[in-house]
Amino acid sequence: GQQVMQIPQYQHVQEGEDFTTYCNSSTTLSNIQWYKQRPGGHPVFLIQLVKSGEVKKQKRLTFQFGEAKKNSSLHITATQTTDVGTYFCAGLKFPNAGGTSYGKLTFGQGTILTVHP
Amino acid sequence: EAQVTQNPRYLITVTGKKLTVTCSQNMNHEYMSWYRQDPGLGLRQIYYSMNVEVTDKGDVPEGYKVSRKEKRNFPLILESPSPNQTSLYFCASSRQGIYEQYFGPGTRLTVT
Repeated sequence: GQQVMQIPQYQHVQEGEDFTTYCNSSTTLSNIQWYKQRPGGHPVFLIQLVKSGEVKKQKRLTFQFGEAKKNSSLHITATQTTDVGTYFCAGLKFPNAGGTSYGKLTFGQGTILTVHP
Repeated sequence: EAQVTQNPRYLITVTGKKLTVTCSQNMNHEYMSWYRQDPGLGLRQIYYSMNVEVTDKGDVPEGYKVSRKEKRNFPLILESPSPNQTSLYFCASSRQGIYEQYFGPGTRLTVT
């Protein structure tokens, strides 16, 4: 079945350092989504990438979708204490050609980010 | 305010005692699903529903049941809970074809 692997599982950084989490799928994806879950909270949608090689930015966050649409990354520049939480990728794949059926969204294991002040 | 609500938020129960976790959304979303979150395993889908009276198994459906009699509600039923179902459960909804998931606040379930 479809698998989405995410690394690292944990990342501890000093405030101001950069952070990157990587997501790899065993199959080609239709799109990939990223979510953030604050400690004690629920996952919140950040962004969706659809096109091969797509790069999107949200302030200090940079999201990339690989050329083969099988991997993705989230990079945070100059982390702040407000960035703490778990970051999940979620890969979307349609079971049938043409995308007429509802897609299956598979989440990665998540990367837990700790930022030390 | 657009939201997904879950009840209860916390539940401690004993093995074998049937329980239901409710989920409701006010966004008229067609798609709803249940996930469980366990350390190191991320979010795993239990069941999902594409619309009223249409449900299907996710990746870890064993020991769970769902129903979708109304568009806004998608309860999760544990007929005979076991300790391995101790977990954090999230309900989520999305619009048909959009796939951006709106998550509820979560239900922390402990089965002793």
